[in-house]
Amino acid sequence: DIQMTQSPSSLSASVGDRVTITCRASQGIDNYLAWFQQKPGKAPKSLIYSASTLQSGVPSKFSGSGSGTDFTLTISSLQPEDFATYYCQQYKSYPLTFGGGTKVEIK
Amino acid sequence: DVQLVESGGGLVQPGGSLRLSCAASGFTFSDNYMDWVRQAPGKGLEWVGRSRNKANSYSTEYAASVKGRFTVSRDDSENSLYLQMNSLKTEDTAVYYCTRTVRTTDHWGQGTLVTVSS
Repeated sequence: DIQMTQSPSSLSASVGDRVTITCRASQGIDNYLAWFQQKPGKAPKSLIYSASTLQSGVPSKFSGSGSGTDFTLTISSLQPEDFATYYCQQYKSYPLTFGGGTKVEIK
Repeated sequence: DVQLVESGGGLVQPGGSLRLSCAASGFTFSDNYMDWVRQAPGKGLEWVGRSRNKANSYSTEYAASVKGRFTVSRDDSENSLYLQMNSLKTEDTAVYYCTRTVRTTDHWGQGTLVTVSS
C-alpha cells in the first residue's frame, strides 16, 4: 500500500497568512493526488485533483503543486472560512489512501 | 446539482449486519464510479470500497480491512449505491460517506453514522 504522510499535523495561522501544507507519498504516484477540506461536523469537500487542478467552484486562493512523491497545498491568504482540516489522497493505485490530515487553527 | 444522500446507519451489535444506501441525483449515475469512505470518531478518512460503472462490468475494489465482510453494489435503475456490511466489528464504528468519482472523488454525501457496540 502507498503511505501518505502530511506535515505538519496541525498549524496555527492568522487571517491573511500564506499557508503551505506538505504531503509525501511512500512511492511515486505521478500526479494522482487530490486534496480535501473538512470542517468540524461536516462532510469533506473536494478542492483539487491531479495535484494542481481546482475542482469546479473552488476559489483560486487554493493551489496545489508537485509530482512523483512530494506535493503541496497552498492557501494564499487565509480567511476565517479556511480554518479546517485538510487531507491529501493518492489515487494512483488500490487501496486508495489518505494522509493523516492537517488541522489549520486560528492563531 | 449533484446530491448524494446516505441512509441506513444505526446501532448494531458486534458480529451483526447492516446495509447502507446512497440515493444519487443530479447526474447520470450509471456513468460514474462510486465509492464509500468512512471516518471513525475523531480520526481521519479511510477509503472503504468502489463500484465501477456498467462499462467496466460493475467491478469492485475493497480496502483490506473490509474485504470479505463488506460488499459494494448498485442499482442504476434506482440511482442507488449500497454497502452491505457483515460480521461487523467495533472498529467499523464510523461515519460512512458515499462519494462520486470523476477522476477522483468530487462530491460527497452528508454521511450516515454506524455504531458497532454491545
